[in-house]
Amino acid sequence: DVKVTQSSRYLVKRTGEKVFLECVQDMDHENMFWYRQDPGLGLRLIYFSYDVKMKEKGDIPEGYSVSREKKERFSLILESASTNQTSMYLCASTLGSGIGNNEQFFGPGTRLTVL
Amino acid sequence: GQQLNQSPQSMFIQEGEDVSMNCTSSSIFNTWLWYKQDPGEGPVLLIALYKAGELTSNGRLTAQFGITRKDSFLNISASIPSDVGIYFCAGRVNTGFQKLVFGTGTRLLVSP
Repeated sequence: DVKVTQSSRYLVKRTGEKVFLECVQDMDHENMFWYRQDPGLGLRLIYFSYDVKMKEKGDIPEGYSVSREKKERFSLILESASTNQTSMYLCASTLGSGIGNNEQFFGPGTRLTVL
Repeated sequence: GQQLNQSPQSMFIQEGEDVSMNCTSSSIFNTWLWYKQDPGEGPVLLIALYKAGELTSNGRLTAQFGITRKDSFLNISASIPSDVGIYFCAGRVNTGFQKLVFGTGTRLLVSP
């Protein structure tokens, strides 16, 4: 079974702090994704990566950056956390391109509260 | 970003009833996925569909890829209390990358 793990289930940070959310997958997947999930808005893509050191902006990248130094690890960084970044953050990965390889597997999520 | 229209938004049913939910899009998709999310957890993939007209089952769950490629539905038969959760559809547009578009979810509550 694919396993996607996230470093924390719950985080509480203060406005202005730098926040790191870590995601690790153990199935040698090529592609990794960061989403945030808010009530009534569904899942919104922040950033994704299709290879080590490669990254692409998603639909809502403002206020976030990412890092992928190793294939199995994809980090989401909030340079200066703000209260409107309070949300559930979900990491996902896929094996690669092509039919049958693009099913996204999700981690358990990190619920971040910014005070 | 684009979102899919998913309905109903919520359902409250009795144990043993059948459930049906659907997603529609203005865009053509080449993949439809259905996920379930339990409270406080990440979404778990239930069913993946890759061909127009395809009908796929996973236990009591059945999903279909619409002929027009712009819709999909999910049926749950003989619901049980552990079916409670939020069900999301997701579609992949043919952009050459696996960016998914998600529905807004259907919240299912099952009364014993």
